[in-house]
Amino acid sequence: GEQVEQLPSSLIVQEGASVLINCSYTDSASVYFPWYKQEPGKRLQFIIDIRSNMERKQNQRLTLLFDKKTKHLSLHITATQPGDSAIYFCSATNMGYKLTFGTGTSLLVDP
Amino acid sequence: DAGVTQTPRHEVAEKGQTIILKCEPVSGHNDLFWYRQTKIQGLELLSYFRSKSLMEDGGAFKDRFKAEMLNSSFSTLKIQPTEPKDSAVYLCASSLGLLGGRRAETLYFGSGTRLTVL
Repeated sequence: GEQVEQLPSSLIVQEGASVLINCSYTDSASVYFPWYKQEPGKRLQFIIDIRSNMERKQNQRLTLLFDKKTKHLSLHITATQPGDSAIYFCSATNMGYKLTFGTGTSLLVDP
Repeated sequence: DAGVTQTPRHEVAEKGQTIILKCEPVSGHNDLFWYRQTKIQGLELLSYFRSKSLMEDGGAFKDRFKAEMLNSSFSTLKIQPTEPKDSAVYLCASSLGLLGGRRAETLYFGSGTRLTVL
């Protein structure tokens, strides 16, 4: 089955810095890649997604890049704020119901 | 708040007990998921319902885990008997599902139930 790996597992940055979270998957049939965020004590929430017919998608300070050939995604967050501190999850699906999640990247933004 | 509601927020059980976790999905959503979240394994799918029909019964979780959806607005997850390795956060999520022939994939998660089995 599909496997999703995220790196790094954790990172700490100063407020205002940019961060890059990498995600790789194994199943070439996967075509949809939503990302979720879990702030401390809060529920998981959707933040951005990309489909396999796209290479790039931007939503305010978030930019998601997708490389179908290498089965790799990267989430770029610019001008980080303490409110960005959370665990970020990459996921993948072949457009069935089953999302396979990565193990998460814990981001701490120091003010 | 019209989001996914899960109860209880915390549950402590003795090994061998039966526990029932509850979930109310977002009104109008057709798909409902139960996930287990642990630091080591991450998010694992336990069950999936589409329009109240069980589509995924959890594979390795089948023997002691049973999810039910008696109506479109309520689901339960029963763990019987509980074991210490079941200690985790259990998440319920819902989505619109098929909408006009196109699958609406965004999941809306509940706050979870933190289960501790002693």
